[in-house]
Amino acid sequence: KAGVTQTPRYLIKTRGQQVTLSCSPISGHRSVSWYQQTPGQGLQFLFEYFSETQRNKGNFPGRFSGRQFSNSRSEMNVSTLELGDSALYLCASSLERIPNTEAFFGQGTRLTVV
Amino acid sequence: KQEVTQIPAALSVPEGENLVLNCSFTDSAIYNLQWFRQDPGKGLTSLLLIQSSQREQTSGRLNASLDKSSGRSTLYIAASQPGDSATYLCAVRSNNNDMRFGAGTRLTVKP
Repeated sequence: KAGVTQTPRYLIKTRGQQVTLSCSPISGHRSVSWYQQTPGQGLQFLFEYFSETQRNKGNFPGRFSGRQFSNSRSEMNVSTLELGDSALYLCASSLERIPNTEAFFGQGTRLTVV
Repeated sequence: KQEVTQIPAALSVPEGENLVLNCSFTDSAIYNLQWFRQDPGKGLTSLLLIQSSQREQTSGRLNASLDKSSGRSTLYIAASQPGDSATYLCAVRSNNNDMRFGAGTRLTVKP
Protein backbone atom coordinates (compact mmCIF):
# COMPACT_ATOMS: atom_id res chain seq x y z
CA LYS A 1 0.00 0.00 0.00
CA ALA A 2 1.56 3.27 -1.07
CA GLY A 3 2.18 5.87 1.59
CA VAL A 4 1.58 9.59 1.49
CA THR A 5 3.28 11.13 -1.54
CA GLN A 6 4.36 14.74 -1.68
CA THR A 7 5.68 16.46 -4.78
CA PRO A 8 8.02 18.03 -5.47
CA ARG A 9 10.57 17.04 -2.83
CA TYR A 10 12.62 20.21 -3.24
CA LEU A 11 11.85 23.68 -4.56
CA ILE A 12 13.79 26.90 -4.85
CA LYS A 13 11.75 30.03 -5.49
CA THR A 14 12.39 33.75 -5.55
CA ARG A 15 10.75 36.25 -3.22
CA GLY A 16 7.43 37.43 -4.61
CA GLN A 17 6.76 34.29 -6.63
CA GLN A 18 4.04 31.81 -5.88
CA VAL A 19 4.29 28.06 -5.35
CA THR A 20 1.96 25.04 -5.39
CA LEU A 21 2.71 21.88 -3.45
CA SER A 22 0.91 18.58 -3.95
CA CYS A 23 -0.05 15.78 -1.58
CA SER A 24 -1.54 12.41 -2.48
CA PRO A 25 -2.90 10.66 0.63
CA ILE A 26 -2.93 6.95 1.33
CA SER A 27 -5.59 5.27 -0.76
CA GLY A 28 -8.93 5.47 1.03
CA HIS A 29 -7.88 8.28 3.35
CA ARG A 30 -10.15 11.28 3.19
CA SER A 31 -8.56 13.69 5.66
CA VAL A 32 -5.48 15.67 4.66
CA SER A 33 -3.65 18.14 6.91
CA TRP A 34 -0.75 20.43 6.11
CA TYR A 35 2.03 21.56 8.45
CA GLN A 36 4.96 23.93 8.21
CA GLN A 37 8.14 22.90 10.02
CA THR A 38 10.97 25.33 10.76
CA PRO A 39 13.87 25.06 13.22
CA GLY A 40 12.60 27.99 15.24
CA GLN A 41 8.86 27.31 15.35
CA GLY A 42 8.67 23.54 15.08
CA LEU A 43 5.61 21.97 13.49
CA GLN A 44 2.79 24.42 12.93
CA PHE A 45 -0.64 23.49 11.64
CA LEU A 46 -1.72 25.16 8.40
CA PHE A 47 -5.07 23.61 7.50
CA GLU A 48 -7.08 20.42 7.28
CA TYR A 49 -9.30 19.21 4.47
CA PHE A 50 -11.93 16.51 4.61
CA SER A 51 -14.27 15.61 1.76
CA GLU A 52 -13.11 18.63 -0.27
CA THR A 53 -13.97 21.06 2.56
CA GLN A 54 -11.57 22.98 4.77
CA ARG A 55 -12.40 21.91 8.31
CA ASN A 56 -9.71 23.66 10.33
CA LYS A 57 -7.28 26.46 9.71
CA GLY A 58 -4.16 27.48 11.60
CA ASN A 59 -2.90 30.95 12.28
CA PHE A 60 -1.26 31.74 8.94
CA PRO A 61 -1.80 34.72 6.62
CA GLY A 62 -4.15 34.54 3.67
CA ARG A 63 -1.19 34.03 1.34
CA PHE A 64 -1.40 30.38 2.37
CA SER A 65 -4.31 28.54 0.83
CA GLY A 66 -5.24 25.02 -0.08
CA ARG A 67 -7.81 22.80 -1.65
CA GLN A 68 -8.78 19.16 -1.87
CA PHE A 69 -10.04 17.33 -4.90
CA SER A 70 -12.69 14.65 -5.17
CA ASN A 71 -9.99 11.93 -5.17
CA SER A 72 -8.72 13.35 -1.82
CA ARG A 73 -5.50 14.68 -3.32
CA SER A 74 -4.68 18.07 -1.90
CA GLU A 75 -2.68 21.08 -2.97
CA MET A 76 -1.45 24.02 -1.01
CA ASN A 77 -0.51 27.34 -2.54
CA VAL A 78 1.64 30.11 -1.18
CA SER A 79 1.50 33.44 -2.98
CA THR A 80 3.91 36.37 -2.79
CA LEU A 81 6.64 34.27 -1.21
CA GLU A 82 8.72 35.73 1.61
CA LEU A 83 12.12 34.60 2.87
CA GLY A 84 10.44 33.42 6.08
CA ASP A 85 8.36 30.92 4.12
CA SER A 86 11.44 28.75 3.70
CA ALA A 87 10.55 25.55 5.51
CA LEU A 88 9.75 21.86 5.26
CA TYR A 89 6.08 21.51 4.36
CA LEU A 90 4.55 18.26 5.54
CA CYS A 91 1.29 16.65 4.60
CA ALA A 92 -0.48 14.07 6.75
CA SER A 93 -3.39 11.85 5.86
CA SER A 94 -5.79 9.91 8.02
CA LEU A 95 -8.68 7.64 7.21
CA GLU A 96 -11.16 10.22 8.35
CA ARG A 97 -11.70 12.59 11.25
CA ILE A 98 -12.49 11.34 14.74
CA PRO A 99 -12.54 8.42 15.49
CA ASN A 100 -10.15 7.08 12.85
CA THR A 101 -7.45 9.68 13.12
CA GLU A 102 -4.05 7.94 13.09
CA ALA A 103 -1.94 10.32 11.02
CA PHE A 104 0.57 9.23 8.40
CA PHE A 105 3.02 11.73 7.00
CA GLY A 106 4.71 12.19 3.66
CA GLN A 107 8.41 12.93 3.20
CA GLY A 108 7.73 16.63 2.86
CA THR A 109 8.58 19.34 0.38
CA ARG A 110 11.63 21.44 1.23
CA LEU A 111 10.93 25.00 0.03
CA THR A 112 13.75 27.50 -0.12
CA VAL A 113 12.92 31.12 -0.88
CA VAL A 114 15.85 33.26 -2.06
CA LYS B 1 -5.33 26.29 23.80
CA GLN B 2 -3.47 22.98 24.04
CA GLU B 3 0.25 23.30 24.78
CA VAL B 4 2.54 20.29 24.35
CA THR B 5 5.97 20.14 25.96
CA GLN B 6 8.71 17.57 25.52
CA ILE B 7 11.56 17.07 27.94
CA PRO B 8 14.48 16.75 27.48
CA ALA B 9 15.11 18.68 24.26
CA ALA B 10 18.15 16.52 23.55
CA LEU B 11 19.48 13.28 24.96
CA SER B 12 22.68 11.35 24.31
CA VAL B 13 23.09 7.79 25.59
CA PRO B 14 25.44 4.86 24.98
CA GLU B 15 24.16 1.93 22.99
CA GLY B 16 22.22 -0.64 25.01
CA GLU B 17 20.73 1.77 27.52
CA ASN B 18 17.03 1.91 28.29
CA LEU B 19 15.64 5.42 28.10
CA VAL B 20 12.48 7.44 28.68
CA LEU B 21 11.22 10.43 26.72
CA ASN B 22 8.59 12.67 28.27
CA CYS B 23 5.63 14.52 26.84
CA SER B 24 3.22 16.73 28.79
CA PHE B 25 0.08 18.53 27.69
CA THR B 26 -2.02 21.23 29.33
CA ASP B 27 -5.57 20.18 28.43
CA SER B 28 -6.53 16.66 29.47
CA ALA B 29 -9.58 16.62 27.16
CA ILE B 30 -7.73 14.74 24.44
CA TYR B 31 -8.89 12.18 21.94
CA ASN B 32 -5.58 10.40 21.44
CA LEU B 33 -1.82 10.85 21.54
CA GLN B 34 0.60 9.76 18.86
CA TRP B 35 4.38 9.34 18.99
CA PHE B 36 6.44 9.93 15.85
CA ARG B 37 10.04 9.61 14.80
CA GLN B 38 11.69 12.03 12.39
CA ASP B 39 15.05 11.57 10.73
CA PRO B 40 16.89 14.71 9.57
CA GLY B 41 15.20 16.35 6.59
CA LYS B 42 12.58 13.62 6.36
CA GLY B 43 8.91 13.22 7.15
CA LEU B 44 7.41 11.78 10.32
CA THR B 45 7.07 8.06 10.91
CA SER B 46 4.24 6.97 13.19
CA LEU B 47 5.47 4.83 16.09
CA LEU B 48 2.54 4.39 18.45
CA LEU B 49 -0.99 5.71 18.83
CA ILE B 50 -2.68 5.68 22.24
CA GLN B 51 -6.40 6.33 22.49
CA SER B 52 -7.56 8.40 25.47
CA SER B 53 -9.17 5.32 27.03
CA GLN B 54 -5.90 3.35 26.92
CA ARG B 55 -3.03 3.37 29.40
CA GLU B 56 -0.25 2.07 27.17
CA GLN B 57 0.74 0.68 23.80
CA THR B 58 3.71 -1.49 22.87
CA SER B 59 5.53 -2.12 19.61
CA GLY B 60 8.75 -4.10 19.73
CA ARG B 61 11.26 -2.28 21.93
CA LEU B 62 8.93 0.71 22.30
CA ASN B 63 6.35 1.23 25.00
CA ALA B 64 4.24 4.35 25.33
CA SER B 65 2.12 5.17 28.36
CA LEU B 66 -0.59 7.75 28.84
CA ASP B 67 -1.87 9.37 32.04
CA LYS B 68 -4.59 11.66 30.78
CA SER B 69 -5.53 13.05 34.17
CA SER B 70 -2.02 14.33 34.85
CA GLY B 71 -1.43 15.36 31.23
CA ARG B 72 1.58 13.12 30.68
CA SER B 73 2.88 10.50 28.29
CA THR B 74 6.18 8.67 28.23
CA LEU B 75 7.93 6.79 25.46
CA TYR B 76 10.18 4.02 26.76
CA ILE B 77 12.87 2.66 24.44
CA ALA B 78 14.53 -0.56 25.56
CA ALA B 79 18.06 -1.60 24.64
CA SER B 80 18.73 1.48 22.50
CA GLN B 81 20.63 1.12 19.21
CA PRO B 82 22.48 3.68 17.04
CA GLY B 83 19.66 3.32 14.50
CA ASP B 84 17.27 4.78 17.07
CA SER B 85 19.03 8.15 16.71
CA ALA B 86 16.40 10.60 15.51
CA THR B 87 14.04 13.27 16.79
CA TYR B 88 11.00 11.95 18.62
CA LEU B 89 7.80 13.98 18.56
CA CYS B 90 4.57 13.56 20.44
CA ALA B 91 1.29 14.92 19.13
CA VAL B 92 -1.97 15.34 20.97
CA ARG B 93 -5.31 15.15 19.17
CA SER B 94 -8.08 17.14 20.83
CA ASN B 95 -11.78 16.37 20.61
CA ASN B 96 -12.19 18.99 17.87
CA ASN B 97 -9.72 17.00 15.71
CA ASP B 98 -6.88 19.53 16.16
CA MET B 99 -3.45 17.91 16.47
CA ARG B 100 -0.72 19.78 18.37
CA PHE B 101 2.92 18.81 18.41
CA GLY B 102 5.68 19.14 20.95
CA ALA B 103 9.06 20.53 19.89
CA GLY B 104 10.61 17.07 20.02
CA THR B 105 13.47 15.29 21.76
CA ARG B 106 16.63 14.82 19.70
CA LEU B 107 18.07 11.42 20.61
CA THR B 108 21.62 10.32 19.89
CA VAL B 109 22.63 6.74 20.64
CA LYS B 110 26.40 6.31 20.58
CA PRO B 111 27.95 3.00 19.51
